[in-house]
Amino acid sequence: DIVMTQSPDSLAVSLGERATINCRSSQSVLYSANNKNYLAWYQQKPGQPPKLLLYWASTRESGVPDRFSGSGSGTDFTLTISSLQAEDVAVYYCQQYYNTPSTFNSYTFGQGTKLEIK
Amino acid sequence: EVRLVESGGALVQPGRSLRLSCTASGFTFGDYAMGWFRQAPGKGLEWISFIRGTPYGGTTEYAASVKGRFTISRDDSKSIAYLQMNSLKIEDTGVYYCSRDAPGKIFDSWGQGTLVTVSS
Repeated sequence: DIVMTQSPDSLAVSLGERATINCRSSQSVLYSANNKNYLAWYQQKPGQPPKLLLYWASTRESGVPDRFSGSGSGTDFTLTISSLQAEDVAVYYCQQYYNTPSTFNSYTFGQGTKLEIK
Repeated sequence: EVRLVESGGALVQPGRSLRLSCTASGFTFGDYAMGWFRQAPGKGLEWISFIRGTPYGGTTEYAASVKGRFTISRDDSKSIAYLQMNSLKIEDTGVYYCSRDAPGKIFDSWGQGTLVTVSS
């Protein structure tokens, strides 16, 4: 299976400041046939299910504020919150979904990054 | 509005079986792949099973941790996805979520989850 590793495990950022979470995959999740990175980001608040924020590494899900952005390619990815709001306190997960027509690689998550207010 | 509702969670003894249901509404269920995930208490997310939409043969995939013990299925006429869990272990304890795999996207809608506790 593709192993996903996030850093840091926890992060404290002041309101209005930038928050950056990193995610690394054990092998590339860039599919050459369509030049897409099979990488998603989710937000999970206590007692709630995960919420999809970004897919294809950088495409924002409908309704997600534009302060959330994703970047990276291949094996290294970043989730950035440009100006932290109180409602952004949550655990964030990256997930690979590199399943092509010829290969199923499962859906693996990073261990999560807990984001708090400093 | 897309809605997914899990049910069937319970307290069960090790070695016993349980069937979870995921009832969907607000979209054409048969056209979508569905996934099951779980989250052990205080831990991260784990994918456990996946079933493709009927147009794609309804084929299934499983995580190694549940393969041979869990079976995913679907009833498109009722808009329900099932997860049959046999030979349950203590480490199967957690909140189980179902999710819809949207074409061109990924798991974009999630249920609220159902709690499975495996304990003697």
